[in-house]
Amino acid sequence: QQQVKQSPQSLIVQKGGISIINCAYENTAFDYFPWYQQFPGKGPALLIAIRPDVSEKKEGRFTISFNKSAKQFSLHIMDSQPGDSATYFCAASQSPFGNEKLTFGTGTRLTIIP
Amino acid sequence: DTEVTQTPKHLVMGMTNKKSLKCEQHMGHRAMYWYKQKAKKPPELMFVYSYEKLSINESVPSRFSPECPNSSLLNLHLHALQPEDSALYLCASSRRTSGTYNEQFFGPGTRLTVL
Repeated sequence: QQQVKQSPQSLIVQKGGISIINCAYENTAFDYFPWYQQFPGKGPALLIAIRPDVSEKKEGRFTISFNKSAKQFSLHIMDSQPGDSATYFCAASQSPFGNEKLTFGTGTRLTIIP
Repeated sequence: DTEVTQTPKHLVMGMTNKKSLKCEQHMGHRAMYWYKQKAKKPPELMFVYSYEKLSINESVPSRFSPECPNSSLLNLHLHALQPEDSALYLCASSRRTSGTYNEQFFGPGTRLTVL
């Protein structure tokens, strides 16, 4: 019940296209859903996050869509650029005070080709 | 200052060595974390310190020993490691106060190689 399932494992998108990565969870107590971007040899960087009281959050070219009833959320990268090539991890967490754990998805390796 | 720093960036050690990894943050965060990450895998939680007290230990072998000297510093002491412990070791921190969510900020990591 603690798992977060992420797909696809790898994704190749042409420059200027839309990259879409999907995640699904089981634990209805999760109330915070961040996305992390990680470049090779670097630490994960918090990209964008959403809480279940909204269905969509947009920051620049990055958008999270959230479907509470389906227990799914996804990351959309608009106008994908070669600099977006990285590994993306979705994650989920319950509120702090008793549970500081982030449950990560398995990761998606995104490659943007010219 | 909005970053988590880690030293060293790279570490090569033998199985009989003793070494330490260091992590520092000056964001006033009261929770700090150690993660281990193998290639092509997500970070795997090892330890959590909350208000300088160890709150989570994910059944990590005793050859890894964490220490939190104060609210800004986190150490990971390494002794008698095995080659399979070679990985990227990540430190993270979060605010952990009432009304906030588990927004964790990661450092750049220490690439550890055990020979």
